[in-house]
Amino acid sequence: DIQMTQSPSTLSASVGDRVTITCRASQSISSWLAWYQQKPGKAPKLLIYKASSLESGVPSRFSGSGSGTEFTLTISSLQPDDFATYYCQQYNSYTWTFGQGTKVEIK
Amino acid sequence: EVQLVQSGAEVKKPGESLKISCKGSGYSFTSYWIGWVRQMPGKGLEWMGIIYPGDSDTRYSPSFQGQVTISADKSISTAYLQWSSLKASDTAMYYCARGRKVQRDFDYWGQGTLVTVSS
Repeated sequence: DIQMTQSPSTLSASVGDRVTITCRASQSISSWLAWYQQKPGKAPKLLIYKASSLESGVPSRFSGSGSGTEFTLTISSLQPDDFATYYCQQYNSYTWTFGQGTKVEIK
Repeated sequence: EVQLVQSGAEVKKPGESLKISCKGSGYSFTSYWIGWVRQMPGKGLEWMGIIYPGDSDTRYSPSFQGQVTISADKSISTAYLQWSSLKASDTAMYYCARGRKVQRDFDYWGQGTLVTVSS
């Protein structure tokens, strides 16, 4: 099974900060990597697909990059609505796996 | 408007069976996967399995293979997740999500079904 490791697990930041979250795959997944945002009590929301494509309706301050085994999600200027938990998700050979999540907290 | 509407919260005893549902609307139900995702209290997302209602192709995470059964009835645009014998450790929120074949991700999610298993 492919394992997904996110870092950090928790991140404290202020409004306006540039925030970067990393996701590493245990083997190459090409660009089959998506990012989701989840707020307490809510279903996850798709932000980025195929590593770097912005889902329709998602603010442009969110961006994704990477391929192979290392990927990043960047929020260029953190907004109050962005305090949430973020998950990466990989696809490989009819198997999907989520990372363990990164909680973005208010500093 | 694409919607996935899940069945309501359940409270069950250990050993009981359960089947929860996820009804899709606003899109071609047979042209997208439906995945199931578990979230235990205070924990992260875990992919359980997925079904393609168009041909009933079903895949399971090794962690959940044999523990649950995923099915779908395309005539009523509904997918199901079922247990034959619940355990206390099955207590969790369960989400269904629409899986896109080209992008290999989940673009629409249900509201979640909370399953509580307690004696």
